[in-house]
Amino acid sequence: SAVISQKPSRDICQRGTSLTIQCQVDSQVTMMFWYRQQPGQSLTLIATANQGSEATYESGFVIDKFPISRPNLTFSTLTVSNMSPEDSSIYLCSVGTGTDTQYFGPGTRLTVL
Amino acid sequence: AQTVTQSQPEMSVQEAETVTLSCTYDTSESNYYLFWYKQPPSRQMILVIRQEAYKQQNATENRFSVNFQKAAKSFSLKISDSQLGDTAMYFCAFTPSGGADGLTFGKGTHLIIQP
Repeated sequence: SAVISQKPSRDICQRGTSLTIQCQVDSQVTMMFWYRQQPGQSLTLIATANQGSEATYESGFVIDKFPISRPNLTFSTLTVSNMSPEDSSIYLCSVGTGTDTQYFGPGTRLTVL
Repeated sequence: AQTVTQSQPEMSVQEAETVTLSCTYDTSESNYYLFWYKQPPSRQMILVIRQEAYKQQNATENRFSVNFQKAAKSFSLKISDSQLGDTAMYFCAFTPSGGADGLTFGKGTHLIIQP
């Protein structure tokens, strides 16, 4: 399986600001995904990060709020824009392997005050 | 759209016992994959086991095995000889075959192994 890192591991931010989360993989992967895990909840898919094209967003998530970049096959960023306390969550990236299995990064714990 | 349901919010067993976590799903896909992930307090999502829907044989990984009933759309996880380190949230997840889709997760089961 791939080795996946995320930065930052945690952050505390003020409302109205933005935070960019980085996801780095140690090998080239075709598929990268971003998930949100709200406190005490399960994981919800935000979007699929497509290399060389715009991300594909799930219902309820929009590009203006969660812009995503995927400049190459080993790296992606997720920005949480104009944050409010409701954005306090764990944000996780995952990568898809050729076997349809996804492996996850360690997550970024975001607290918005 | 697919749904994944885990009806046991929390379970507690004694160390060394066997425990079964339940998961049902609904989909119109003909080929797909099912997974169990473990999330300890560190919040790292760890793959426990995967099952390909077209395979009749139930997957096993050491102390972990599944009971996959395709017609009933059921996918339960059995943990044998449970250990304290098995204490975690367990999530059942689904994805259509092809690798281009994200995972749909159940709400999770909090498993507590008592010493």
